[in-house]
Amino acid sequence: VQLVQSGAEVKKPGASVKVSCQASGYSFNSYGISWVRQAPGQGLEWMGWISGDNANTEYAQNLQGRVTMTTDTSTSTAYMELRSLTSDDTAVYYCARGAGVDPICYWGQGTLVTVSS
Amino acid sequence: DIVMTQSPDSLAVSLGERATINCKSSQSVLHSSNNESSLGWYQQKPGQPPKLLIYWASTRESGVPDRFSGSGSGTDFTLTISSLQAEDVAVYYCQQYYSTPCTFGQGTKLEI
Repeated sequence: VQLVQSGAEVKKPGASVKVSCQASGYSFNSYGISWVRQAPGQGLEWMGWISGDNANTEYAQNLQGRVTMTTDTSTSTAYMELRSLTSDDTAVYYCARGAGVDPICYWGQGTLVTVSS
Repeated sequence: DIVMTQSPDSLAVSLGERATINCKSSQSVLHSSNNESSLGWYQQKPGQPPKLLIYWASTRESGVPDRFSGSGSGTDFTLTISSLQAEDVAVYYCQQYYSTPCTFGQGTKLEI
């Protein structure tokens, strides 16, 4: 199992960012993808999850309205878009296999998103 | 949301000695259907994603050295490293996956 994420991003406040996560080594439709972020020097925050078949999503309440998670089953890729960025969104964003009610065995390598004017 | 609280925040242990990290959940994460607690422990080293060590509170993930063990049920859990090795220096997190949003403890920094 491998989860490979897109590269680092630098964004201005108010902009949006879209991070990708390409999965391989398992049946993509059979597992959800969760997104977890980690601000510099801080702990882990679960942002939400999406089913591999794109049929179900659940977002953390504090991100509702700003985050959208999607999947492309043809390329086994999951996407996380976060809008209206502020400096508080500066973090490493991880994708991980699982629905939030599973232990997380597989993680992407992380994508650093820096929000700065 | 279930709040996970770890103690201590940091810990210094001599090589070869035992390290113990505690985790408390604000409500029970025990499934009555299978009598298992939805509690995981992760190790994170700088610049790396977290690595799953323990799930269902006490089941060691494949490939994890047997010096790592987990115990507890319901709301109180413990991660024990029986004989600390230099490579165990890391931050350790507990996580409940009983209900969404899954939540993590604040982390415990383990040093030599």
